Amino acid sequence: NAGVTQTPKFRVLKTGQSMTLLCAQDMNHEYMYWYRQDPGMGLRLIHYSVGEGTTAKGEVPDGYNVSRLKKQNFLLGLESAAPSQTSVYFCASSFPLGQPNQPQHFGDGTRLSIL
Amino acid sequence: ELKVEQNPLFLSMQEGKNYTIYCNYSTTSDRLYWYRQDPGKSLESLFVLLSNGAVKQEGRLMASLDTKARLSTLHITAAVHDLSATYFCAVDKNSGYALNFGKGTSLLVTP
Repeated sequence: NAGVTQTPKFRVLKTGQSMTLLCAQDMNHEYMYWYRQDPGMGLRLIHYSVGEGTTAKGEVPDGYNVSRLKKQNFLLGLESAAPSQTSVYFCASSFPLGQPNQPQHFGDGTRLSIL
Repeated sequence: ELKVEQNPLFLSMQEGKNYTIYCNYSTTSDRLYWYRQDPGKSLESLFVLLSNGAVKQEGRLMASLDTKARLSTLHITAAVHDLSATYFCAVDKNSGYALNFGKGTSLLVTP
């Protein structure tokens, strides 16, 4: 079972470059999320989507854009990368929260460095 | 704004000992999740707690939820080295779509 798959796993960018992180899930989940994880900060929600064609801002959305054109895919874009965006990015997916034994499922992460 | 605080943030304990990690949150919620993360790895779901008084156990780990006190505990019994990891609690504001994570508790179990 693939679960949640993130592409790429590692990337180094120069300041000002753009890139797109890809997330795919095969569990038929309605909800998908992008988080960033920084040392000592836990996970912070960047953007999320509750269904195909819908997106919403999370706690730290500035500098990022997202799209959910298909139910199984959720894309995270950096239009003009900044060193402050150096982080580990996790994608997650889930059914609507609050259902028994239905947590968010996480991908393996993308380690992104901005020079 | 929902705040989630874990303590301790770092914990070193000997094999065979018991200990408890605490997770406090600031607003009403009856949905709390515990995750484990090994270094450089993804997050693995441990427990889903969805009501006041909920208690779940898996191996040497037991989690409980007291929604009135806005507190969840993760109790470790007779720790073994394989439990060394970072443990996160996360709270849903009953919105159904977003979790707020604590900063994590880094646990090291030593011989």
